[in-house]
This record gives sequence, C-alpha cells and structure tokens, in this order.
Amino acid sequence: QQPVQSPQAVILREGEDAVINCSSSKALYSVHWYRQKHGEAPVFLMILLKGGEQKGHDKISASFNEKKQQSSLYLTASQLSYSGTYFCGTDNLGGADGLTFGKGTHLIIQP
Amino acid sequence: DAGVIQSPRHEVTEMGQEVTLRCKPISGHNSLFWYRQTMMRGLELLIYFNNNVPIDDSGMPEDRFSAKMPNASFSTLKIQPSEPRDSAVYFCASSLPGGGKFFGPGTRLTVL
Repeated sequence: QQPVQSPQAVILREGEDAVINCSSSKALYSVHWYRQKHGEAPVFLMILLKGGEQKGHDKISASFNEKKQQSSLYLTASQLSYSGTYFCGTDNLGGADGLTFGKGTHLIIQP
Repeated sequence: DAGVIQSPRHEVTEMGQEVTLRCKPISGHNSLFWYRQTMMRGLELLIYFNNNVPIDDSGMPEDRFSAKMPNASFSTLKIQPSEPRDSAVYFCASSLPGGGKFFGPGTRLTVL
C-alpha cells in the first residue's frame, strides 16, 4: 500500500527549514528517501532501517519512528539546490527489495 | 563508475507496435527494478529481479508487458502491443540487497 506524504508542496526562502513526512498504514521494515529534479531520475538520499534511527546527510537528515510507522525528512538551512520532488519509498515486507513510493512532496526554494 | 544505462532515451511509436526497453545495471548490483512514472500514478514498481530471477511481477499491468534478465548485466522490458495509456517514463534501477536504488536516466515512451 502506498505511503502517504505530507505536505504535497512547500515553498521556502533560501535558508529556511522544511520537514517532509511519510506515513504507512502497515508495519515498516525500512524507509528510503529520494530527490528528483524535473526531467531527471530520482536520486537516492538515504535509507533508514527498523530501529528508530536517525541519519544525516549534509544538512539533510531523517528519522524513523517504527511504532508510529512514520519517517520524516528534515532539510536545514535550505539551499537553492534542494529544490525538487522528494519521495519516500517503503519496504513493508522485511528484506524484500521492491519499494512502494509515495506521491512525492514538491519543494521550491526561492532566493 | 558507470551508472545504470538505459536505451533508448526516447521512443515514439504507434499503437499496436512492439516496444523494447533495455537496461544495463551497475556492475556488482544483483537487484534490478523496472519502474514506471506518470503524473497520475506516480512511481510504480512493475517488476524486480534478484540474481537474474524475477521475484515480484505483481506490478506488471497486463500480459502485454513482459520482462527478462538473461544475465547479470542486461534486462529488457517489452510491451506488445503498445497502447497510448502505456505512455510514461520507464526507469530501470539497480541495487545491492536491501540497499539504496540507483536509477537510470529513464526512457520516455510516447505511444500515439
């Protein structure tokens, strides 16, 4: 079942922070985050495994709450290059490789 | 290192024609995925392979779609016959087991 992402779209000024949420109605084994720029392929950002870990990637980090079946992506001090559509992909089967992606969150960073 | 390679990058065909999309995964990756992306449906998993064996093809929309992976470095997705509703961007991705997926540049398919 497709995970639900919120918000659907965000418009920020450069330097502002953003949070993108991803929730599933089923138990989660892992959550992946990707960014896609217009006309390009999705690019892998990070993966979070069962265990409630938090990961960082430059000024982009994410958390995974296994009990709530949710993950959140945090973008700190956003840069123009952060613009794009962010997708979460979930693995509900535990070890299976096929991800189910949310509909995406469109992030626009303005100077 | 070369990333995932897909061909062709663009394909325009007429309804009823056969379409074959090709993919070369990243060397050493033993999982390969075919995804389709449209505005209406987003990113949909069509089929994936582990060690060249199809594991889950439940996302393949109809019998008109078929996929093969004859060896570790090549996969094809075939649509026969093609229909206008098959128009989409088709992505191939590869990964290590349970790892992040690395997507190819995609094939933009237009069926007239």
